[in-house]
Amino acid sequence: RKEVEQDPGPFNVPEGATVAFNCTYSNSASQSFFWYRQDCRKEPKLLMSVYSSGNEDGRFTAQLNRASQYISLLIRDSKLSDSATYLCVVSSTGGFKTIFGAGTRLFVKA
Amino acid sequence: ETGVTQTPRHLVMGMTNKKSLKCEQHLGHNAMYWYKQSAKKPLELMFVYNFKEQTENNSVPSRFSPECPNSSHLFLHLHTLQPEDSALYLCASSQGILANEQFFGPGTRLTVL
Repeated sequence: RKEVEQDPGPFNVPEGATVAFNCTYSNSASQSFFWYRQDCRKEPKLLMSVYSSGNEDGRFTAQLNRASQYISLLIRDSKLSDSATYLCVVSSTGGFKTIFGAGTRLFVKA
Repeated sequence: ETGVTQTPRHLVMGMTNKKSLKCEQHLGHNAMYWYKQSAKKPLELMFVYNFKEQTENNSVPSRFSPECPNSSHLFLHLHTLQPEDSALYLCASSQGILANEQFFGPGTRLTVL
């Protein structure tokens, strides 16, 4: 089993759609969780951190379920500019490990 | 300059060459990282430095040799690489190790012939 697993997609959605990505992780000692966004041929950039209580930033909502060891990202009212690869990232300071998922490709079409 | 810079942006080298990648961060961070991103594979963390001290080496072959002279600069020395080492090499930095947002440089696209 991979340490961090994501559905690779691609997800093809029309503008205005709501799309959800899930990510599972295997290390129960993981402490920090993030969603990064990576545009084609660009470096990853932080989209949002994920907290146990769930958090929202505009059209983006992230959730963490420690018991089931998964995190999710919900994008509402998709825009063309949301087209990118979304990377699930899990870190643990014990052992200094950061594991990136392989990413989920999203294409938003007009 | 701002953020995280990397040079060169592109590098083509033969298997017998020796080259170095350079990373510089202008964010005042204390932790720096090297990652490898190969086609169709997740980013792989290679090395972690915290206050210039290496804290993690994720079983990286010895043909990759990191150097961190200070908290702002990070090098990756390359020698006798293999074609399968061709990839995008990304440098990142953060304030605090791993638990906080990492800021990535634009990467060096390496091709080993």
